[in-house]
Amino acid sequence: RKEVEQDPGPFNVPEGATVAFNCTYSNSASQSFFWYRQDCRKEPKLLMSVYSSGNEDGRFTAQLNRASQYISLLIRDSKLSDSATYLCVVNTNAGKSTFGDGTTLTVKP
Amino acid sequence: SAVISQKPSRDICQRGTSLTIQCQVDSQVTMMFWYRQQPGQSLTLIATANQGSEATYESGFVIDKFPISRPNLTFSTLTVSNMSPEDSSIYLCSVEVPNTGELFFGEGSRLTVL
Repeated sequence: RKEVEQDPGPFNVPEGATVAFNCTYSNSASQSFFWYRQDCRKEPKLLMSVYSSGNEDGRFTAQLNRASQYISLLIRDSKLSDSATYLCVVNTNAGKSTFGDGTTLTVKP
Repeated sequence: SAVISQKPSRDICQRGTSLTIQCQVDSQVTMMFWYRQQPGQSLTLIATANQGSEATYESGFVIDKFPISRPNLTFSTLTVSNMSPEDSSIYLCSVEVPNTGELFFGEGSRLTVL
C-alpha cells in the first residue's frame, strides 16, 4: 500500500463546477499536510497547507481528518486556469515529505 | 519564499556518461532535497543534502549512483552517474521553509538519456 494515495482521476469538469479531491495517508505519525499544484512541465508549487480545523483560501477549501487519516481539497466555481495536477503531500516529524501520485483536473469551457 | 535556480534546465546525454545538476538558493537554508519525477509519475525523494556531512539517501538510491555535494548553505549539486535510459527523468531541487514542512522547488532539470 502506498504511503499517500489519491483519487486517480482524471477529473474533467465544466467551468463553474465544484470538484473535490481525496487523499489518504498510512503513517499515523504524520505531522503536516499540504496540497501542491503542478502545471504541465513545471515544478510543483504550494497551493495550501491543511489544518485539522480546516482552512479556506478563496475558492479552495482543505480539510484534514486525523482519525480517518484523510485529506480533501474542494475547488468551487472552477476556472479554466485551475487545470493542473494536484498533489497531496504528507510530512512526518522527521522532515520527510511523501507525495501522492497526483490527480489531474481539466476544466473545460 | 525562496528563489531556487537549477541548471541545466534540460540535457540529452549518452548512455554511460554522468551529468551534474546544480542548485543555487538565494538565501541560506538548512534543508535541501533532491527529488526525481519520472514521466507520468509523482515525486520521489532521492536524498537530503546536508551541509558539512554526507547526504542522507532514501531507500533505493545510493551515493555511487547519485553523489551529492553541499559545500555551503546556498548551493548543492546532484550527479547522475553512469546514466542509462531508465535515468531519464526530471530532477528537482527543493528547500524547506524552516519548521513548516513547506517546500519550494527549482524549475527542474529534464534529463533524457539515449
